[in-house]
Amino acid sequence: DIQMTQSPSFLSATVGDRVTINCKASQNINKYLNWYQQKLGEAPKRLIYNTNSLQTGIPSRFSGSGSGTDYTLTISSLQPEDVATYFCLQHNSGPFTFGSGTKLEIK
Amino acid sequence: QVQLKESGPGLVQPSQTLSLTCTVSGFSLTSNSVHWVRQPPGKGLEWVGAIWSGGSTDYNSALKSRLSISRDTSKSQVFLKMNSLQTEDTAIYFCTSLGRGYWGQGVMVTVSS
Repeated sequence: DIQMTQSPSFLSATVGDRVTINCKASQNINKYLNWYQQKLGEAPKRLIYNTNSLQTGIPSRFSGSGSGTDYTLTISSLQPEDVATYFCLQHNSGPFTFGSGTKLEIK
Repeated sequence: QVQLKESGPGLVQPSQTLSLTCTVSGFSLTSNSVHWVRQPPGKGLEWVGAIWSGGSTDYNSALKSRLSISRDTSKSQVFLKMNSLQTEDTAIYFCTSLGRGYWGQGVMVTVSS
């Protein structure tokens, strides 16, 4: 099974900061990497699919990049409503696997 | 519009079988896969398994021996059955059309006597 190592597990940043979250796969996942945002008590929401495609309706301050085994979610200018936990998911090959999550808070 | 809704018992006794149903609308099961994802209280997401548009299935390696996913395309329903439940299976269970980005609201399942 492909393992996804997500970092950091916790992140505290100031409104307006540029924030990056990373996921490293145990093998090449061919850009089949999605990013999800989950707010407390809600279902996850897909932000980015296939590394860098922005889901409809998601603000353009969210972007994704990467290739091979290394992937990054970037929030260009952190907003108060971005407080949430973020997860990556590899869907290159089954069984699919999630990263362990990054809890993002505002300083 | 696309909707997914999970249903099932909120409480299951240890060693018993969990049966959940995901009812979908707005898309066809014969053209789209449906996945199950679970989340223990206060913890991360775990991919449980999937049924693909052609009807084949894939399962989480750790759960494979206890898990079965099936569907009824005429009713637009996907079923999850997991046997020999333990307290560690307590979680919110979500169904999702991962490929389209839609999720159900989730159903909380507690394993307890």
